[in-house]
Amino acid sequence: DAKTTQPNSMESNEEEPVHLPCNHSTISGTDYIHWYRQLPSQGPEYVIHGLTSNVNNRMASLAIAEDRKSSTLILHRATLRDAAVYYCILRGLNNNDMRFGAGTRLTVKP
Amino acid sequence: GAGVSQSPRYKVAKRGQDVALRCDPISGHVSLFWYQQALGQGPEFLTYFQNEAQLDKSGLPSDRFFAERPEGSVSTLKIQRTQQEDSAVYLCASSPFTRDSHRTPLHFGNGTRLTVT
Repeated sequence: DAKTTQPNSMESNEEEPVHLPCNHSTISGTDYIHWYRQLPSQGPEYVIHGLTSNVNNRMASLAIAEDRKSSTLILHRATLRDAAVYYCILRGLNNNDMRFGAGTRLTVKP
Repeated sequence: GAGVSQSPRYKVAKRGQDVALRCDPISGHVSLFWYQQALGQGPEFLTYFQNEAQLDKSGLPSDRFFAERPEGSVSTLKIQRTQQEDSAVYLCASSPFTRDSHRTPLHFGNGTRLTVT
């Protein structure tokens, strides 16, 4: 299975942008890059996904490197409610499951 | 609309007891997944259903774990003779079935926290 590597933790100040990196050097051509986040005492929540092009939605932006071996989740203005564990996951054509790593724990300081 | 519902929210079992955890997926969602999440870890895949068919059970840690989805909607995860190492949050997720399932987001419930004493 293609794996991802993320920093264990990151800190941000409220109302500042946050860039959460993810390395996936063994990504295959058909793997989609998905991001989920998990707030305390809740199940994971879908954030965004992409294949090759950068993606934007109401929650975040996803910047994908040209060689697809890394990606960055961008929160444009962090709020205290964005404090969560963020997971970067690869999902391939034949995968019926998603394999989570340990994720990045984001702390947002007021 | 209603999301994925799991019950009970918390379950305490004595070692050796059997437990049953329930998942009500979003109506019409064909795909259903179970995950186990130990404290401080990411969720670990247990099993996957497409309608009533269990297509992948490669993540079930032992034969004490059994999942079913007899009518293709509600699913139950059963753990027999619980052990302390079974203590974890058990998460259920569902998604609509599409040809491009690897592009389809999963919708998770808030889990059942199982504590085995």
